Amino acid sequence: GAGVSQSPSNKVTEKGKDVELRCDPISGHTALYWYRQSLGQGLEFLIYFQGNSAPDKSGLPSDRFSAERTGGSVSTLTIQRTQQEDSAVYLCASSLAQGAGYEQYFGPGTRLTVT
Amino acid sequence: GQNIDQPTEMTATEGAIVQINCTYQTSGFNGLFWYQQHAGEAPTFLSYNVLDGLEEKGRFSSFLSRSKGYSYLLLKELQMKDSASYLCAVRDEGAGGYQKVTFGTGTKLQVIP
Repeated sequence: GAGVSQSPSNKVTEKGKDVELRCDPISGHTALYWYRQSLGQGLEFLIYFQGNSAPDKSGLPSDRFSAERTGGSVSTLTIQRTQQEDSAVYLCASSLAQGAGYEQYFGPGTRLTVT
Repeated sequence: GQNIDQPTEMTATEGAIVQINCTYQTSGFNGLFWYQQHAGEAPTFLSYNVLDGLEEKGRFSSFLSRSKGYSYLLLKELQMKDSASYLCAVRDEGAGGYQKVTFGTGTKLQVIP
C-alpha cells in the first residue's frame, strides 16, 4: 500500500517568497504531524492535526508559518516571506490515531532551500 | 515540557553489540519510541515501550525504566547497514490533553569493519 507522500521533494526559493508544502498521509490515518529537521539536527515539532483540527500549534516558529488539513487527509504547510533560516527538510508523518502505541510513519520529506 | 538526552555519536565494530542510551524528563509520560534514520532518509519506526522492561525484536531490543526516566536501544550482531542515526522519542500529555511526541536529537552510530 501507499505510504506517506510529500511534494515537492526539493524546493529552492528566493528569500521573501511564499512556499507551500504538501503532505498526503496514509489512508485512514487520523493523526498528522509536521516536523522540521536542519542538517545534522534532531526533529523539531511544528504542528499536529487530529482530523482537520490542530490542537497543538505550539511548534510553529513564527506567524509566517501556517498549516491546514482538509477532508481529514491532505495537509499543506505554508511559509510566507521565507527567510534563509527556514532552510531545512520538512517532514510529515501520520499515525492511525492518537492512542498509545501508534507509531508515526514518515514521508520522504521536502528539502527547502532559501537563497 | 520535556528534556531528552542521547549521546551525539557512537562507533562500534561489525558483529559487536552496542547500547544507545536515552534519558528523559517529562511530567505525563505515556510511552517511548525508537526510530532509525539513515542519512538523507526519513525516520522509520523500530520499537515502542510503555511498561518497564525489555522488548525484543530480532537483533534489536529496547529497555525502559520509568522510575529512572531511562531507556536504551540494544543492537546485536551489528551490520554495516546499521550505520544510521537512532532517535529516541517520548510521548507525554501536551496542550489540550492530547498525547504529544517529542524527539531527541539522535545518536549517530557508525559501524566499522
